[in-house]
Amino acid sequence: AQSVTQLDSHVSVSEGTPVLLRCNYSSSYSPSLFWYVQHPNKGLQLLLKYTSAATLVKGINGFEAEFKKSETSFHLTKPSAHMSDAAEYFCVVRGYGGATNKLIFGTGTLLAVQP
Amino acid sequence: DGGITQSPKYLFRKEGQNVTLSCEQNLNHDAMYWYRQDPGQGLRLIYYSQIVNDFQKGDIAEGYSVSREKKESFPLTVTSAQKNPTAFYLCASSLYIGETQYFGPGTRLLVL
Repeated sequence: AQSVTQLDSHVSVSEGTPVLLRCNYSSSYSPSLFWYVQHPNKGLQLLLKYTSAATLVKGINGFEAEFKKSETSFHLTKPSAHMSDAAEYFCVVRGYGGATNKLIFGTGTLLAVQP
Repeated sequence: DGGITQSPKYLFRKEGQNVTLSCEQNLNHDAMYWYRQDPGQGLRLIYYSQIVNDFQKGDIAEGYSVSREKKESFPLTVTSAQKNPTAFYLCASSLYIGETQYFGPGTRLLVL
């Protein structure tokens, strides 16, 4: 069975400092992994996705994530945080089996950016 | 301007009342999904539809119903059988089932 674990429920950084949001996955197959961002009372926006091509995936707004099979990790990073990055971030793995290949969501990491 | 729209943004339900949440997409996607989001939890799948006139239960379908009469539309009804309906409801679509999903802005349902 597939699952994801987001290791931090809350992360706080200062504006201009690096961001690291951690995600570990479990999958019996070569996984498809995603990061979505959700601003307050908004829908989810796709940041980036990994589908077994390059292990370093670049997304929107300066975010990137590295797929590390040996560590079963897919951590999200950004070199320099901006106030507008304050939001909730979800790590997601695509499940396999059945008709849906449904998405399995982590519980989210709330990122706070201090001025 | 392509995308997914959900209405209303906020919805209030009285005891014993059924309410319907709207989801429309103009992306020409075959597959559509409904999720429920509660604080501190990830999204949970309520129902999904692979194609017009077809839909399947997700992980938490009890107390909900859907229809898919048109490709563009996938309304969700929260029935009186759903005892804890207060949540944020998100609709999504993908080109085909299993492809990358894109989300609407959500509807927040509150119980009076």
